[in-house]
Amino acid sequence: GAVVSQHPSWVICKSGTSVKIECRSLDFQATTMFWYRQFPKQSLMLMATSNEGSKATYEQGVEKDKFLINHASLTLSTLTVTSAHPEDSSFYICSARSGPAEGQPQHFGDGTRLSIL
Amino acid sequence: DAKTTQPPSMDCAEGRAANLPCNHSTISGNEYVYWYRQIHSQGPQYIIHGLKNNETNEMASLIITEDRKSSTLILPHATLRDTAVYYCIVNGTSYGKLTFGQGTILTVHP
Repeated sequence: GAVVSQHPSWVICKSGTSVKIECRSLDFQATTMFWYRQFPKQSLMLMATSNEGSKATYEQGVEKDKFLINHASLTLSTLTVTSAHPEDSSFYICSARSGPAEGQPQHFGDGTRLSIL
Repeated sequence: DAKTTQPPSMDCAEGRAANLPCNHSTISGNEYVYWYRQIHSQGPQYIIHGLKNNETNEMASLIITEDRKSSTLILPHATLRDTAVYYCIVNGTSYGKLTFGQGTILTVHP
């Protein structure tokens, strides 16, 4: 159980285009989903937290107008990188939690490797 | 959330137990200890978590000291596929945010 699916797993696109990444919880309802970014040889950095039906909460330094997050249902959250540029190239990973944080682990997708040319 | 300290790297022979330590001396009473691992180019995988008592599941065992200031993740019979970065994270906020440190790079040798 507790499977999180992320799509696409790999995307290459031209500078200036927008890219949408989907994160789905397949066998549980996710009240909260998280989006992380990981640059080569670095650890995961939390970008934002989204709760179903409400606006996402962004970490300091993350541009909310550039990284649009939508969590319209209990099983789907999307991250759209708008007007992507080469510096946005990274490994983007989502996670989902089904209930209250205390004692409830997050489960992660397999990540999306984004390359902007 | 409490910070954690882990050794940057460890080696283990295949078939032997891998014991990964984590120090979390500033942990507070309502904070859980979580362990995740990340195999190269994949998302992190949840392993185990605990509050006060030792825990065991099909993947590993978690030993938490009585004062809760440190813990050890035990992989009883390490295989080559257990080579990964292992993260020890302490979290207890209702917000649920996880802060990843640098973790321990575990290399399992044949």
